[in-house]
Amino acid sequence: NAGVMQNPRHLVRRRGQEARLRCSPMKGHSHVYWYRQLPEEGLKFMVYLQKENIIDESGMPKERFSAEFPKEGPSILRIQQVVRGDSAAYFCASSLRTVSYEQYFGPGTRLTVT
Amino acid sequence: DAKTTQPNSMESNEEEPVHLPCNHSTISGTDYIHWYRQLPSQGPEYVIHGLTSNVNNRMASLAIAEDRKSSTLILHRATLRDAAVYYCILLTQGGSEKLVFGKGTKLTVNP
Repeated sequence: NAGVMQNPRHLVRRRGQEARLRCSPMKGHSHVYWYRQLPEEGLKFMVYLQKENIIDESGMPKERFSAEFPKEGPSILRIQQVVRGDSAAYFCASSLRTVSYEQYFGPGTRLTVT
Repeated sequence: DAKTTQPNSMESNEEEPVHLPCNHSTISGTDYIHWYRQLPSQGPEYVIHGLTSNVNNRMASLAIAEDRKSSTLILHRATLRDAAVYYCILLTQGGSEKLVFGKGTKLTVNP
């Protein structure tokens, strides 16, 4: 049973380019969460999605960042016009959302903006 | 979300038990106590969770104080692979789904 998959694992973008990060949840999981870990800082929640719906985007920066989880296919975190401050590890987690709220994390995408 | 307090760091020797404490004095009745850990250069990993009773799984045990204001994660025999940052997190049933990570406890395991 494959775990949460994220790709690419490493992404290098120049300032002003777009970054697209993909997350495939565990089989049967319909809840996806994105977290960001800036260098030498803790993990911060960004957004929580269910299929075709954004449930909580309280941690998303208001500009340049967007997320989706379509009916078919992976969840996508999109960062437009990247800046150096966007360099971080981005982690995706998925949940079955039964009683226990356990979240299973992917290996992360490490974004470097040059 | 209710806050938790953990020591910044702890050290242990390989094959010895480790007790990682967490204080959550403002916990409410519907808050679940969750533990995650993050090994170096990896994503966080779910460890265990509980509500009121002590819990055991293949990775660890969770001991919850009777008043629920504190809990302890117990690794029965630490291995080098257990060296990680351990996070104690409260989740409110029916509330926000998001995990709020604090600074956690960095566990060093000595060979």
